[in-house]
Amino acid sequence: EIVLTQSPATLSLSPGERATLSCRASQSVSSYLAWYQQKPGQAPRLLIYDASNRATGIPARFSGSGSGTDFTLTISSLEPEDFAVYYCQQRSNWPLKFTFGPGTKVDIK
Amino acid sequence: EVQLVESGGGLVKPGGSLRLSCAASGFTFSNAWMSWVRQAPGKGLEWVGRIKSKTDGGTTDYAAPVKGRFTISRDDSKNTLYLQMNSLKTEDTAVYYCTTVDGLPPYYYYMDVWGKGTTVTVSS
Repeated sequence: EIVLTQSPATLSLSPGERATLSCRASQSVSSYLAWYQQKPGQAPRLLIYDASNRATGIPARFSGSGSGTDFTLTISSLEPEDFAVYYCQQRSNWPLKFTFGPGTKVDIK
Repeated sequence: EVQLVESGGGLVKPGGSLRLSCAASGFTFSNAWMSWVRQAPGKGLEWVGRIKSKTDGGTTDYAAPVKGRFTISRDDSKNTLYLQMNSLKTEDTAVYYCTTVDGLPPYYYYMDVWGKGTTVTVSS
């Protein structure tokens, strides 16, 4: 079973700053990794799939990188609406399971 | 507009049953792989289960905590996904989200479209 670890648990930044979020897998997931954003009281929203592809309508300030076991979500310049919780997610086959990381909360400093 | 709308949540006693529905619109539901994801109060996201499209076999897979108690089904004529939940436990209390499962065949893995969720509370 593949386990996802996210760091840091909380990231305190100011609007306009750069945010760098990490997701590490316990074994290789190739590039099959997705990132989601969730704001309080809302459903999650897909940001990135296949490690680096932005989903439809996602602003260019969001970018993803990595492969294998180490992945990064970067927000180049934080906008007020970007303060939220971010989850990474992958799928393992044996057994079939979709796994989310524990999340990184980006809050206002 | 692509949309998923969940319904059927509510308060149920431990050991009870509940059926959630998810109405899909704006895309070809019959071709879609679908899943349920839940979120307990103040906690992270937890995958519940997935159903393939009928053309891909229509089979289901479940997370260990719900296997044998929950059943996912679909009615493509009604563009509706279901989650039948039996033998409910207090730890099943959560917001339940319906999602599409996307990717390049055969590796469908990310959840592209999400509903707003429906709340299930299991309490005596």
